[in-house]
Amino acid sequence: GENVEQHPSTLSVQEGDSAVIKCTYSDSASNYFPWYKQELGKRPQLIIDIRSNVGEKKDQRIAVTLNKTAKHFSLHITETQPEDSAVYFCAALYTGTASKLTFGTGTRLQVTL
Amino acid sequence: KAGVTQTPRYLIKTRGQQVTLSCSPISGHRSVSWYQQTPGQGLQFLFEYFSETQRNKGNFPGRFSGRQFSNSRSEMNVSTLELGDSALYLCASSLGGEQFFGPGTRLTVL
Repeated sequence: GENVEQHPSTLSVQEGDSAVIKCTYSDSASNYFPWYKQELGKRPQLIIDIRSNVGEKKDQRIAVTLNKTAKHFSLHITETQPEDSAVYFCAALYTGTASKLTFGTGTRLQVTL
Repeated sequence: KAGVTQTPRYLIKTRGQQVTLSCSPISGHRSVSWYQQTPGQGLQFLFEYFSETQRNKGNFPGRFSGRQFSNSRSEMNVSTLELGDSALYLCASSLGGEQFFGPGTRLTVL
């Protein structure tokens, strides 16, 4: 089955700096890669996603890149703000069959003033 | 559109009891997936239902079961509860890949 590794497990950046979280997946059939943000005590919220036919996607301060050959995908947050502090999860899924998301282990991002 | 809802939000049970959790997906979404979230194991897939059929199942014991109704609402049941079943149980509804999570049910087993 699919296995997703995520690094780093914790990340501390100063407000205004950039943050990068990296994931690797094992199943070359996976074709959908979402990123979720989970604040303390709240549900995971989809913040951005990318499909395997696209190499990069951007939405304001966040962007995701995908390297299918290396089976790597990354989340980039620029101009970080305190409200970006949360746990971020990457995930992978093959949309051709069931909707089974395999999650990474999460990255706790702390944006300090 | 209303989001995914889950009931109850909090539940306290004792070992050996059973519990049923409910999930109502976003209107029009036919797929409902269930996940268990714990500090130690992270987010783990339990099972997925689509059009009242279980389409995929994760690596959980048979004590964990589920079903889906014709209106796409789903329930999951855990029998013979163990202390290790204490977790946040999340359901997600999806349409074409994107999954949207409900607020979760926090289950505590004493």
